[in-house]
Amino acid sequence: DAGVIQSPRHEVTEMGQEVTLRCKPISGHDYLFWYRQTMMRGLELLIYFNNNVPIDDSGMPEDRFSAKMPNASFSTLKIQPSEPRDSAVYFCASSYSTGGIDTQYFGPGTRLTVL
Amino acid sequence: AQSVTQPDIHITVSEGASLELRCNYSYGATPYLFWYVQSPGQGLQLLLKYFSGDTLVQGIKGFEAEFKRSQSSFNLRKPSVHWSDAAEYFCAVGGLNDMRFGAGTRLTVKP
Repeated sequence: DAGVIQSPRHEVTEMGQEVTLRCKPISGHDYLFWYRQTMMRGLELLIYFNNNVPIDDSGMPEDRFSAKMPNASFSTLKIQPSEPRDSAVYFCASSYSTGGIDTQYFGPGTRLTVL
Repeated sequence: AQSVTQPDIHITVSEGASLELRCNYSYGATPYLFWYVQSPGQGLQLLLKYFSGDTLVQGIKGFEAEFKRSQSSFNLRKPSVHWSDAAEYFCAVGGLNDMRFGAGTRLTVKP
């Protein structure tokens, strides 16, 4: 398996532009997570899905952030409009639940810079 | 609410020396504990995990960790560090939908 795939790996955009980050989870995994990593706040869980359904989006910072999972093999995290403080590395992770507890497999991340 | 504390932001050790990275947690029930490693520009990779049973857990790359309930600790150890171990290490506690990560400890390895 290729692991969790994220695209793009790097994104530089200007304030006010829409940004879309993409994630392909590991085949067969039924949980998908979006995290944001910054120096100031560390690694934060933004939202997670189970069987393509959003379960907990309490970590999403603002209404400018939205996430979708139209099918089991694809998810997007969208920021509209983007702001400089959104600059961070965004990770996608997936997992297969066995009794509710299991290991998360992380993608390589998307480094977002908003100018 | 659960939380994780990694007291050391940055540690420097010489190659071949032993290593111990500290992790303390707060959790209302039996904790599920993890150690992840992040190399520069990479995602997080699981080193080891503890769910139950033997409190000394063996992981990949020669790492081990010991769960000590009385001390609420899950420290990561390696007897002899290699230059390739230079990375950031994250302790995490919780379950599938409530995992919390520590702030991380950056490990530098001196030649």
